[in-house]
Amino acid sequence: DGGITQSPKYLFRKEGQNVTLSCEQNLNHDAMYWYRQDPGQGLRLIYYSQIVNDFQKGDIAEGYSVSREKKESFPLTVTSAQKNPTAFYLCASSPSPGQGYGYTFGSGTRLTVV
Amino acid sequence: GENVEQHPSTLSVQEGDSAVIKCTYSDSASNYFPWYKQELGKRPQLIIDIRSNVGEKKDQRIAVTLNKTAKHFSLHITETQPEDSAVYFCAASSSGGSNYKLTFGKGTLLTVNP
Repeated sequence: DGGITQSPKYLFRKEGQNVTLSCEQNLNHDAMYWYRQDPGQGLRLIYYSQIVNDFQKGDIAEGYSVSREKKESFPLTVTSAQKNPTAFYLCASSPSPGQGYGYTFGSGTRLTVV
Repeated sequence: GENVEQHPSTLSVQEGDSAVIKCTYSDSASNYFPWYKQELGKRPQLIIDIRSNVGEKKDQRIAVTLNKTAKHFSLHITETQPEDSAVYFCAASSSGGSNYKLTFGKGTLLTVNP
């Protein structure tokens, strides 16, 4: 589906539980990104990775963790330290770490705390 | 870091009218400015982009203009149709060292009334 797949589409988390959101791409893109979307807040950057085995914090990294062991995969873990995790999470990729390339987005995961 | 402001937050037009969305950015080093359209419950999709060496770019009914001196860029949609109704996001590229990422505006909800 567009070369970048997020799963699951819907996820429910109990208080104090860690959950992992999957993001896989077959576009051979070097860079991958996680954004959080809340109503009226736009897209806020959580973490990003320009190359395998390397990643950087974005603007709202607290309570989240990532790994980049393979070029194709960039999973996001929402930990119990994230106090308000209910949101729509979008994964994206771009061809190169250099400037001047748009993102391809996944279809998103909607996380709800129950 | 980069900061992108987007206005208006909501815009309602009659079918056939034009719509204009404006964004300003803070980092004078930014040189790539994409626009995304997000329909309800779906992923953002790139609709047009512009680079800093170009002042204007058109693609059928949509156009983007860039004023580097004033650090603002705008999206223009002519002859609007109901299917143009969506949330539109502007973005600007920024890099911390060699790290490239997009910073997004908070979005504009465009409603085209038939």
